[in-house]
Amino acid sequence: SQQGEEDPQALSIQEGENATMNCSYKTSINNLQWYRQNSGRGLVHLILIRSNEREKHSGRLRVTLDTSKKSSSLLITASRAADTASYFCATDYTGTASKLTFGTGTRLQVTL
Amino acid sequence: EAQVTQNPRYLITVTGKKLTVTCSQNMNHEYMSWYRQDPGLGLRQIYYSMNVEVTDKGDVPEGYKVSRKEKRNFPLILESPSPNQTSLYFCASRAGLTDTQYFGPGTRLTVL
Repeated sequence: SQQGEEDPQALSIQEGENATMNCSYKTSINNLQWYRQNSGRGLVHLILIRSNEREKHSGRLRVTLDTSKKSSSLLITASRAADTASYFCATDYTGTASKLTFGTGTRLQVTL
Repeated sequence: EAQVTQNPRYLITVTGKKLTVTCSQNMNHEYMSWYRQDPGLGLRQIYYSMNVEVTDKGDVPEGYKVSRKEKRNFPLILESPSPNQTSLYFCASRAGLTDTQYFGPGTRLTVL
């Protein structure tokens, strides 16, 4: 079963707006990672947040982690058309070896 | 340039014809994994390796084999491919158990 579940499944916004994607998971984690994937291409690592961190920033990206609610959010500020992609959260949960469990992703469409 | 490479990038084959997808990383990473990505199912781990000669099953190992004879290489072997193995395959590597995972560009496999 999927560990991370993203919400919404699809999001359409206009350039300049902010986009927020959420991820929920089920068991204790070491860290949570967000990836971007352009259609049918490889996954690009965006940001990693560890279980003892609550918020992290990278450029226009802001990630929060709430371990009590087992949830994370990814905020992209001032979105651009080039941000159009699918975004996945991946959980690295405790007690296992070298496994990231991915959700099914949020498809973000940024229009001009 | 630090990277994970996969070959071939695209492959069309027929049922039962053995094939190998190669994966190589130049970052001296201990951990390597194979994933498959299917619509609506996200990425699922096939096999992983924690070091040379150490491999273990992921979530969907049936019909696949792997080997780790050298640290940098982690080939995926389909002894007798079937149409349900038509998918997009990704190799990944990371330095430590809870570190960022870097993905290759993907191999799109079609089994007729």
